[in-house]
Amino acid sequence: DAGVTQSPTHLIKTRGQQVTLRCSPKSGHDTVSWYQQALGQGPQFIFQYYEEEERQRGNFPDRFSGHQFPNYSSELNVNALLLGDSALYLCASSLYQRGSYNEQFFGPGTRLTVL
Amino acid sequence: AQKVTQAQTEISVVEKEDVTLDCVYETRDTTYYLFWYKQPPSGELVFLIRRNSFDEQNEISGRYSWNFQKSTSSFNFTITASQVVDSAVYFCALIDTGRRALTFGSGTRLQVQP
Repeated sequence: DAGVTQSPTHLIKTRGQQVTLRCSPKSGHDTVSWYQQALGQGPQFIFQYYEEEERQRGNFPDRFSGHQFPNYSSELNVNALLLGDSALYLCASSLYQRGSYNEQFFGPGTRLTVL
Repeated sequence: AQKVTQAQTEISVVEKEDVTLDCVYETRDTTYYLFWYKQPPSGELVFLIRRNSFDEQNEISGRYSWNFQKSTSSFNFTITASQVVDSAVYFCALIDTGRRALTFGSGTRLQVQP
């Protein structure tokens, strides 16, 4: 049973460029959440996708956008990259359950460096 | 607003010592869930435990145990007889069913020396 997978593992970009990160959820999961983890800090919630729609969003600018595909996989896009966008980007998947909550399982992350 | 505080930035112990990681949370919701995750050097967050706000029973899983006290808004994690493989950053997190997004603490780095 494959867990959450993310690609690429590492990425180096320059300021002003655009980047796309990809995530495949754990088998049987239908919800994908994205988190940004700066060095030495806890992950910060970016947004969550369910049924191909953005359902929740954290305190991130519109430069951060995403998409969920019919097979539940997801992309995170960041435009006009800033030095401060350098971080580990974590994808987490879960199974939606109305009225309750199932734990999120995390992928290995994509390390983004902006020069 | 939700908040999770892990006051211990880094803890260093010698193998076989017991160690407790503290977690204090804030939320206005009556229904919420608390979590602990482990992040080894590889970077992947590993789920350890989930507790809901209606279940204050302490839980033990092998060398791991968790103490949930609503009266003090704390959800502490104890590792008994620590091992070198326990070295990692540990995160406490909170979620309310309305928002469905995890709010993490800043983490506690645990170093277990042989």
